[in-house]
Amino acid sequence: DTAVSQTPKYLVTQMGNDKSIKCEQNLGHDTMYWYKQDSKKFLKIMFSYNNKELIINETVPNRFSPKSPDKAHLNLHINSLELGDSAVYFCASSQADNEQFFGPGTRLTVL
Amino acid sequence: AQSVTQLDSQVPVFEEAPVELRCNYSSSVSVYLFWYVQYPNQGLQLLLKYLSGSTLVKGINGFEAEFNKSQTSFHLRKPSVHISDTAEYFCAVSPRRGSGANNLFFGTGTRLTVIP
Repeated sequence: DTAVSQTPKYLVTQMGNDKSIKCEQNLGHDTMYWYKQDSKKFLKIMFSYNNKELIINETVPNRFSPKSPDKAHLNLHINSLELGDSAVYFCASSQADNEQFFGPGTRLTVL
Repeated sequence: AQSVTQLDSQVPVFEEAPVELRCNYSSSVSVYLFWYVQYPNQGLQLLLKYLSGSTLVKGINGFEAEFNKSQTSFHLRKPSVHISDTAEYFCAVSPRRGSGANNLFFGTGTRLTVIP
């Protein structure tokens, strides 16, 4: 009965590949987010999405795209992976502007 | 725009001693304030939050924080730490919106190490 789940937990891939990370929340929240945590542990918002708007952090390359098949899912698709994309990616969800609940993270390593 | 400064990147403290982790923020709008904890190889867990009301906020695991509007600070405290408190602590803010998505802006984190 995990609240926010992500798959896979670890992802190792070659440069230039395309990959997806899945996120699901069973909390009934209306908003979901993706954050990137770099090697220095710094966390930065990438996207936020609810059924009304998608907000994209302007610093995120357009190789990254969120895809939401339904309210409970927000997947992250990455094209043409680069070395600098290596990081831990966290999904989160919230109801309106209340506290956010985080998933366990996906550690992406690009070789 | 919002920014968060955590003044100490690492804080070592002996077991059962008190600890304070400092957080200052800057924002052109009213914000909500949060502290999250990240244990090794895990996700983030909410320790406490300030939305409105009393400026002294109590959270889980014996932590508390005080919102000081004039100093734009939200320092985290615990009177007596345990070994299990060793973790990375993140201060975060989000602008008050009332509806829709509300991004969190994080500080760079403070590594708390409790020494036996």
